Amino acid sequence: DAGITQSPRHKVTETGTPVTLRCHQTENHRYMYWYRQDPGHGLRLIHYSYGVKDTDKGEVSDGYSVSRSKTEDFLLTLESATSSQTSVYFCAISRDRNTGELFFGEGSRLTVL
Amino acid sequence: GESVGLHLPTLSVQEGDNSIINCAYSNSASDYFIWYKQESGKGPQFIIDIRSNMDKRQGQRVTVLLNKTVKHLSLQIAATQPGDSAVYFCAENPNLTGNQFYFGTGTSLTVIP
Repeated sequence: DAGITQSPRHKVTETGTPVTLRCHQTENHRYMYWYRQDPGHGLRLIHYSYGVKDTDKGEVSDGYSVSRSKTEDFLLTLESATSSQTSVYFCAISRDRNTGELFFGEGSRLTVL
Repeated sequence: GESVGLHLPTLSVQEGDNSIINCAYSNSASDYFIWYKQESGKGPQFIIDIRSNMDKRQGQRVTVLLNKTVKHLSLQIAATQPGDSAVYFCAENPNLTGNQFYFGTGTSLTVIP
């Protein structure tokens, strides 16, 4: 298994509170991604990073921010969580931008009450 | 946004039979396609990919077929095993130089022993 660790794996929070999800990799891959998975929608890209301090928006980036200060860590922050952000969040990594072979973490289940 | 869909949301097959999972895509400019497998409670796992200059690609017990004329791809699993029970979904990338992969909602495959 690729060395990807997501934390926390489960979190319950209240509307309006900030939440940060962490993705840590030991593969030294350049590209890192945050996806959310919801019933009926499949995986949707939130943000991605192509290097330290280099990030870009994905399909559903509103309400989310990211940071990557080190190659191995990619943080996803919900500044003020809403119920619509209840989802399972997956981090993924890849060696380069032209491959669809992404290695996914185990997921972080977030419930916003 | 992109539309990647599946013909059947669920599929049940007998152990040892071949499985065929179908996927339709809507963007004729898409030139790269990927199949993923997701077991319950886990992150997606890359199976196989195919680029638009190919019609067929084979892996270990899996074959992906691409029909660009009707914008359809399929994943064939030979001699299906209980360990193949999972959700399978396809993803498309309309631009090889980008990182945007659009995922379908998935087909749940159940293998009957």
